[in-house]
Amino acid sequence: AQSVTQPDIHITVSEGASLELRCNYSYGATPYLFWYVQSPGQGLQLLLKYFSGDTLVQGIKGFEAEFKRSQSSFNLRKPSVHWSDAAEYFCAVGDTDKLIFGTGTRLQVFP
Amino acid sequence: DAGVIQSPRHEVTEMGQEVTLRCKPISGHDYLFWYRQTMMRGLELLIYFNNNVPIDDSGMPEDRFSAKMPNASFSTLKIQPSEPRDSAVYFCASSFDGVRGYTFGSGTRLTVV
Repeated sequence: AQSVTQPDIHITVSEGASLELRCNYSYGATPYLFWYVQSPGQGLQLLLKYFSGDTLVQGIKGFEAEFKRSQSSFNLRKPSVHWSDAAEYFCAVGDTDKLIFGTGTRLQVFP
Repeated sequence: DAGVIQSPRHEVTEMGQEVTLRCKPISGHDYLFWYRQTMMRGLELLIYFNNNVPIDDSGMPEDRFSAKMPNASFSTLKIQPSEPRDSAVYFCASSFDGVRGYTFGSGTRLTVV
């Protein structure tokens, strides 16, 4: 069965530091991959998505993610984190007609 | 487009009462999804529809939960009778084809006391 694993439940970084959130997927074909962000009290907002082509995709708010087929990974990165990036981040993979979500990574940012 | 619209934003009800959550998807989206989010269980898919027809309701926790989609622009999730363990945030999402991404609503925070 298709699945998504986010190995880090909680990550803490200092403002201005770089960030990488890990995501591994299990899917037989070329996957559709997504990162969503959920700020406190809000719904999930799409950060970026990968369907095909260039394996490095740019998203909103300065985020990017790289698809690595050999590692079955789609890690999210940001070179310099801002306090407003504190939120929960969900990785997801498309499966036939729906998305399979990971369990999320909560990001805490210290000033 | 106003996005996916959910109502109410907050609902507080007493145990045993009926609760109805509402969702208006984005026009032209053929898929509609209902999710429940709690600290303990994370994000759970309850049910989803394609062209107003329920496709998979295996995530609906109990017979107390039911969902309908009478037309392309409206869906409801009903809990009857409600219990304290139903307290959660319920999200609705819609999608053009399901697999290429969703747009989520802002959610309904349900508290059953």
